[in-house]
Amino acid sequence: AAGVIQSPRHLIKEKRETATLKCYPIPRHDTVYWYQQGPGQDPQFLISFYEKMQSDKGSIPDRFSAQQFSDYHSELNMSSLELGDSALYFCASSRMMGQRNTGELFFGEGSRLTVL
Amino acid sequence: LAKTTQPISMDSYEGQEVNITCSHNNIATNDYITWYQQFPSQGPRFIIQGYKTKVTNEVASLFIPADRKSSTLSLPRVSLSDTAVYYCLVAPSGSARQLTFGSGTQLTVLP
Repeated sequence: AAGVIQSPRHLIKEKRETATLKCYPIPRHDTVYWYQQGPGQDPQFLISFYEKMQSDKGSIPDRFSAQQFSDYHSELNMSSLELGDSALYFCASSRMMGQRNTGELFFGEGSRLTVL
Repeated sequence: LAKTTQPISMDSYEGQEVNITCSHNNIATNDYITWYQQFPSQGPRFIIQGYKTKVTNEVASLFIPADRKSSTLSLPRVSLSDTAVYYCLVAPSGSARQLTFGSGTQLTVLP
């Protein structure tokens, strides 16, 4: 079965550079979530989208932005990168059941960002 | 958002049943309870979800008491490959609302 696809899998950037992560949800999934997980940390919710509209926002820095496109894929843009941005970034997708968010998310394998 | 509390770590031996309890005192009426498993450097994997009473699937059971202020994930006959971090999440109603991972439980299965 098709899974959530994230690219790139690994990314190395210098401080103050920009980076873009992409996420392709499972077909017919209408919601996308982004999480950041630092070394030894729990996943931190960044932002979510439903039907191409931002749905909720968590601890996402102002230097980061994201959007969901008409084909439901999503991109996370990160600017002015800092050393502390080094982390695994996970994208997850799900399909709403009516207006109910049941919490069954399907996660991608993650994009590992290293900022030097 | 309902805050969840779980034990930081648990040890078990192969073949034993493991029960991990999560408290979520301020769970809302329409919230679902969901459990995830995560291996190092991998994305969390959905295990089971429920609303009340008991839910069972091929890998786990989920017990939710009537007041829904806690839930217990039960893993039957664990093996070494079940060593992972387990997270309890409360899913708020509404479209794509924030799903917050609290501090999970590191389960270590010993031979």
